[in-house]
Amino acid sequence: AQSVTQLGSHVSVSEGALVLLRCNYSSSVPPYLFWYVQYPNQGLQLLLKYTTGATLVKGINGFEAEFKKSETSFHLTKPSAHMSDAAEYFCAVSRASGNTPLVFGKGTRLSVIA
Amino acid sequence: EAQVTQNPRYLITVTGKKLTVTCSQNMNHEYMSWYRQDPGLGLRQIYYSMNVEVTDKGDVPEGYKVSRKEKRNFPLILESPSPNQTSLYFCASSLGRAGNTEAFFGQGTRLTVV
Repeated sequence: AQSVTQLGSHVSVSEGALVLLRCNYSSSVPPYLFWYVQYPNQGLQLLLKYTTGATLVKGINGFEAEFKKSETSFHLTKPSAHMSDAAEYFCAVSRASGNTPLVFGKGTRLSVIA
Repeated sequence: EAQVTQNPRYLITVTGKKLTVTCSQNMNHEYMSWYRQDPGLGLRQIYYSMNVEVTDKGDVPEGYKVSRKEKRNFPLILESPSPNQTSLYFCASSLGRAGNTEAFFGQGTRLTVV
């Protein structure tokens, strides 16, 4: 079975500071990994995904994540936080084969302080 | 515009009164699913469908029903709602295998059962 652990249900950063949201996964087979963002009163939208190939993945709004198999991690980073980045972020995992649903982490709420 | 449309956005109902939340997508996606989002628990899958007339249980199916008579529609039915089904519900669709394709989410339906 697959699972996702997001460390920290709430992260606060100052505007302009580095954003680091942590995600560790468990999967017995090669995983596909995703980060989704949820802005207030909206649905989720895809930030970035790792399927195969380059382990450093760039997404929208300046975010990126690196797949580290040895650490079973897929942490999300952004060099400089902006007020508009305040949202809830979800890491998700899916199997690389078969029709399998996404398994989501519990989410991390990012606050950006002016 | 590609989108997943849920209705209603907000619903307050009483215990035991049957209700349906509709979901429609205009992207000709095969795969559709329903999630509920609860504080501290993230998103949990209720049901999913890989194609017309093909549905299967997710992680938390008790108390819910779904149907997939047409490719574009995937309604969620609560035959006898109870207060523990008070939650934020999301419908999602993706082109094919959920493992390697982006999931598109609706705006959410906030359900309160009193």
